[in-house]
Amino acid sequence: KAGVTQTPRYLIKTRGQQVTLSCSPISGHRSVSWYQQTPGQGLQFLFEYFSETQRNKGNFPGRFSGRQFSNSRSEMNVSTLELGDSALYLCASSSLQTGGYTGELFFGEGSRLTVL
Amino acid sequence: TQLLEQSPQFLSIQEGENLTVYCNSSSVFSSLQWYRQEPGEGPVLLVTVVTGGEVKKLKRLTFQFGDARKDSSLHITAAQPGDTGLYLCAGLYNQGGKLIFGQGTELSVKP
Repeated sequence: KAGVTQTPRYLIKTRGQQVTLSCSPISGHRSVSWYQQTPGQGLQFLFEYFSETQRNKGNFPGRFSGRQFSNSRSEMNVSTLELGDSALYLCASSSLQTGGYTGELFFGEGSRLTVL
Repeated sequence: TQLLEQSPQFLSIQEGENLTVYCNSSSVFSSLQWYRQEPGEGPVLLVTVVTGGEVKKLKRLTFQFGDARKDSSLHITAAQPGDTGLYLCAGLYNQGGKLIFGQGTELSVKP
């Protein structure tokens, strides 16, 4: 079974630009979550999508947005990039089980964003 | 605000030593997971604990969930250089909620 695929793996942008990251979940997984990982803050939850609907949202500004398509693939977008947005952005998929969800996530390798 | 405190943040030990990593919260978890992350990769799930007092073993790794489901520990016996990595605990506070991660423990095992 193919794992979670994230593209691109690395990218460099300048302040003020915008970026779109893509995530393909494990086949059959309908939940996709996004996390930002930095050395100082650790893994911070951005948002979670299930069946094209945002189910949960973290405490990030409106510059961070996402969406999920009918095939469960997801994208996240960051507009008006700031230096502090430099981070590893991780996507994770999950197989939600009715009445038994315990939260296990399967992560991709991440997209390393550098903002200059 | 639900917080997960993980300690220690950094740990550098010699091969063959034992170690314990702790994960604490003031809130009750619905479930808790431990992940391991190597440089350049995403976290990989090691174990999930659900029941208070539960103990799970994965080779030389022993995971324990507190009786009150507010804390957990990871114990590694006879650590090896291959155990080097970032260990993350993550708690789910309710089944419809989001997974909250601790800050992580950076473990370095020297040969």
